[in-house]
Amino acid sequence: DAKTTQPTSMDCAEGRAANLPCNHSTISGNEYVYWYRQIHSQGPQYIIHGLKNNETNEMASLIITEDRKSSTLILPHATLRDTAVYYCIVRVALYGSSNTGKLIFGQGTTLQVKP
Amino acid sequence: EAGVTQFPSHSVIEKGQTVTLRCDPISGHDNLYWYRRVMGKEIKFLLHFVKESKQDESGMPNNRFLAERTGGTYSTLKVQPAELEDSGVYFCASSSGPRVYNEQFFGPGTRLTVL
Repeated sequence: DAKTTQPTSMDCAEGRAANLPCNHSTISGNEYVYWYRQIHSQGPQYIIHGLKNNETNEMASLIITEDRKSSTLILPHATLRDTAVYYCIVRVALYGSSNTGKLIFGQGTTLQVKP
Repeated sequence: EAGVTQFPSHSVIEKGQTVTLRCDPISGHDNLYWYRRVMGKEIKFLLHFVKESKQDESGMPNNRFLAERTGGTYSTLKVQPAELEDSGVYFCASSSGPRVYNEQFFGPGTRLTVL
């Protein structure tokens, strides 16, 4: 089962920042927070990941709370093309017999960017 | 660089028939994953290959599903015989490694419809 909870849906105005929250209260010390998104009719697409520090790349920023029990994905200037389902995933960092790098998806948040 | 490709993009078959899905990973990626989303459910992990070896088959639903990766390049997923509940979208992903920093690149998926 997914170890994260996300709101089912959110709206955002085009050009504004989209802030997508995620709760992962049972996260362990060796688990990363990953974000993927799925635009309609495409495969999931990697966005960003982090352990405990805030991260930023060309697509988004990831803010992780100090206790690591929640995080927020920020799309700084949302466009219509950012309309998608966004998945917050907790993933174990270490490789071993119990972890093969598989991703465990939840229901995700459907983000609708409106003009 | 070509991404992950999947064939066919869409398959419609009757219950009891056999279908074979193909995935071509990104060149050089030893790790290959199969996932699927059935109607109304989350994306679920099926199995993981490292080169030609099955590393984790824990997500395979039953013995009607057979995955192969001969030679460690492309992979096939055969469903025989297909049942109505097998309808959904089957995704393939590849990565250069299983660790958290090895991004998984997804293909566009194969939409399977069993009538």
